[in-house]
Amino acid sequence: EILLTQSPAIIAASPGEKVTITCSASSSVSYMNWYQQKPGSSPKIWIYGISNLASGVPARFSGSGSGTSFSFTINSMEAEDVATYYCQQRSSYPPIFTFGSGTKLEIK
Amino acid sequence: EVQLVESGGGLVKPGGSLKLSCAASGFTFSSYAMSWVRQTPEKRLEWVATISSGGSYTYYPDSVKGRFTISRDNAKNTLYLQMSSLRSEDTAMYYCARHSLLPTGFAYWGQGTLVTVSA
Repeated sequence: EILLTQSPAIIAASPGEKVTITCSASSSVSYMNWYQQKPGSSPKIWIYGISNLASGVPARFSGSGSGTSFSFTINSMEAEDVATYYCQQRSSYPPIFTFGSGTKLEIK
Repeated sequence: EVQLVESGGGLVKPGGSLKLSCAASGFTFSSYAMSWVRQTPEKRLEWVATISSGGSYTYYPDSVKGRFTISRDNAKNTLYLQMSSLRSEDTAMYYCARHSLLPTGFAYWGQGTLVTVSA
């Protein structure tokens, strides 16, 4: 089973600041997705296929990476971005889905 | 609009059973693989089960294999999760999730139903 190590666990950023979250896989993966979860709500797909923004996601968000190292970036932090973000991958066959432990993003 | 509405959660004793349901609407249910994902009290997300669009193929992690069974009724647009031999570590919010046509992730999530396993 591929493990995902996400860091940092908690990060606080000021409005306008650049934020980067990393997700490291224990073995090479082909797909990486990111989810946003706000308190009291279900997770939402935010970035899929490493770098594709889900519908309605602002352009200040981006994803990149390959192999075992992936990153999630907010170019300019806004108050509405306060949430917990999770990375997720799927192994080829049999399909096994694993999630990172999450990064809680707070605003300074 | 895609809607997924879970039901059936509750308090159950260790060793007990529970069946969750997920009513789907706003899309052609029979065209998509579906899954259950749970979130523990520590906020960790864990994949629980996946079923193919037609229902012929099912997949589980080792943690629930042999105890949980995912199924679907495409005529009723409903997804199910039968849980048995429940343990305290199964306590979680259980989400129904729809995949995209390429099922590498979870495109839509329901609001969740809470399962608590406690004596």
